[in-house]
Amino acid sequence: EPEVTQTPSHQVTQMGQEVILRCVPISNHLYFYWYRQILGQKVEFLVSFYNNEISEKSEIFDDQFSVERPDGSNFTLKIRSTKLEDSAMYFCASSVRVSLTSAKNIQYFGAGTRLSVL
Amino acid sequence: AQKITQTQPGMFVQEKEAVTLDCTYDTSDQSYGLFWYKQPSSGEMIFLIYQGSYDEQNATEGRYSLNFQKARKSANLVISASQLGDSAMYFCAMKAGNNRKLIWGLGTSLAVNP
Repeated sequence: EPEVTQTPSHQVTQMGQEVILRCVPISNHLYFYWYRQILGQKVEFLVSFYNNEISEKSEIFDDQFSVERPDGSNFTLKIRSTKLEDSAMYFCASSVRVSLTSAKNIQYFGAGTRLSVL
Repeated sequence: AQKITQTQPGMFVQEKEAVTLDCTYDTSDQSYGLFWYKQPSSGEMIFLIYQGSYDEQNATEGRYSLNFQKARKSANLVISASQLGDSAMYFCAMKAGNNRKLIWGLGTSLAVNP
């Protein structure tokens, strides 16, 4: 069964360092997402990506964050200068193409990358 | 404002019994979708079931069913014949309007007792 793959599973970094979280979405999916889940809190939407550009982003997704699809398979989230409050589980998700007005947009998630900022 | 509320932080159920996990939602959009995901202790987020706002019948997927009450704005997940492997966090989420993002509840931790 196709699945979303995320690497690494756990990333430890020092405050102020740059991190890149990697994702390989399901191969025939065209929409890609990043969410984060701070321990004990709700899952929060960060950004959605389609056709090589950001289609939607949240207030959390500020200038410190960027996303890229460097090739035909990978989808990355970069945090330029990590802060302590960036410590969270980061989930990548993907979905097939659906019309904007369709509510049936099933997003399939990877196993997550746990980011620990020290 | 769009919001998902899960009022049960933790639930217990005996193996082989059924359990209902509550979810209420708030949106002013007429077109929306409701999703349930399972998050085992290993951390991955697993899609379980989907209900569309215009669907006339309650969704079912194997042992999972969704008790959708549109007037009450509730979309409760029913797990029948609970198994030990059902022990996990369960999240209710919503996609509404022209957004593609999912809005999430806080989740319910389910423990299945042998």
